[in-house]
Amino acid sequence: DARVTQTPRDKVTEMGQEVTMRCQPILGHNTVFWYRQTMMQGLELLAYFRNRAPLDDSGMPKDRFSAEMPDATLATLKIQPSEPRDSAVYFCASGLVAGRYVTEAFFGQGTRLTVV
Amino acid sequence: AQKITQTQPGMFVQEKEAVTLDCTYDTSDPSYGLFWYKQPSSGEMIFLIYQGSYDQQNATEGRYSLNFQKARKSANLVISASQLGDSAMYFCAMRENGNNRLAFGKGNQVVVIP
Repeated sequence: DARVTQTPRDKVTEMGQEVTMRCQPILGHNTVFWYRQTMMQGLELLAYFRNRAPLDDSGMPKDRFSAEMPDATLATLKIQPSEPRDSAVYFCASGLVAGRYVTEAFFGQGTRLTVV
Repeated sequence: AQKITQTQPGMFVQEKEAVTLDCTYDTSDPSYGLFWYKQPSSGEMIFLIYQGSYDQQNATEGRYSLNFQKARKSANLVISASQLGDSAMYFCAMRENGNNRLAFGKGNQVVVIP
């Protein structure tokens, strides 16, 4: 059963600490998205990659957030230093672009981050 | 500017009845795609259905169908024969502008009652 796997599922950390979230996309998918969900803002796109190359990270605070795909089976989202306002659920999603566009994108179960 | 609008208040639906969730969108791009997702209380995001702007027929997936009215920029989700497990938030999303970003609406809350 192919699925997107995210770790950790829950993370509580103190302000100022580094947080790394990991995502294993569905095997064969060539597009990876990072989203953040909060009650106030809803679902916001932070970054997305195609064939491991970052295509858009305009939604990401550059001073503290970074996203990478060291290989096709791993995407990471790092926050350093973390702040209480970063508390949210972070989702990774993967999709297959056949032609030009993605026509389905599957989400992982999310990482619930709490920064105290 | 809001690209996807979902403004219905929370809905209560009788089990086995059909429910329609409204979604309107704003784009000047002739090529775009519309997605619907379900988010139950467990928090996962479940992909339901996709409609491309050039697709001639409305998309269907099991009990889910998309009522795509291009001229009205409307992509309503219809859930037929609702079940208790359909209780969730439902999100409409759009891909546009020649890239693969998905912009999400604020969601519709559905509660199915027995």
